[in-house]
Amino acid sequence: SQTIHQWPATLVQPVGSPLSLECTVEGTSNPNLYWYRQAAGRGLQLLFYSVGIGQISSEVPQNLSASRPQDRQFILSSKKLLLSDSGFYLCAWTVLAAYNEQFFGPGTRLTVL
Amino acid sequence: GQQLNQSPQSMFIQEGEDVSMNCTSSSIFNTWLWYKQDPGEGPVLLIALYKAGELTSNGRLTAQFGITRKDSFLNISASIPSDVGIYFCAGQRSGSARQLTFGSGTQLTVLP
Repeated sequence: SQTIHQWPATLVQPVGSPLSLECTVEGTSNPNLYWYRQAAGRGLQLLFYSVGIGQISSEVPQNLSASRPQDRQFILSSKKLLLSDSGFYLCAWTVLAAYNEQFFGPGTRLTVL
Repeated sequence: GQQLNQSPQSMFIQEGEDVSMNCTSSSIFNTWLWYKQDPGEGPVLLIALYKAGELTSNGRLTAQFGITRKDSFLNISASIPSDVGIYFCAGQRSGSARQLTFGSGTQLTVLP
């Protein structure tokens, strides 16, 4: 069966520091991968998605970037965090098949101080 | 961008009551999905709908894909305390990226 992992689970970082969040999927090949941010427990905002290795699409202009160095690995990064980057970051995956369900990871709670 | 209007924003109900929430859009979607999120966790898929008019159940949950393809509703029958959480609808249009547009969520509180 497929599983999705995210780490770290929680992170507290000072303003201006770098960021790296990691997401890995097991049990599937060539998934679409997604990064979302959720503020205050409501509303999921799509940040990036990837349909293959090295292919990244950005949905909103921001202080963050994403990379997909391996088929089942998706990384969210920042060179200098802003206070507004605080939130709950969720990674999700879907398979390139007839169905469109997205399955979410457990999330990373980021607090920027 | 795409907007999904989800209502109500919050609900307080007594244990045992039925619950209904819905999502509407100005655009057509090919897929409707309903998720539940517990505090501090990722959303969990409850029901997926793929055809206009489709009515699908998952235990005490029933969801329907609206005939116009612009709306969907979720019903929960005989609510129990573990139903507490935030429920999200999500719609998907055609396209290889399979991006979803999410509603703003319905916070459900079940009172004993």
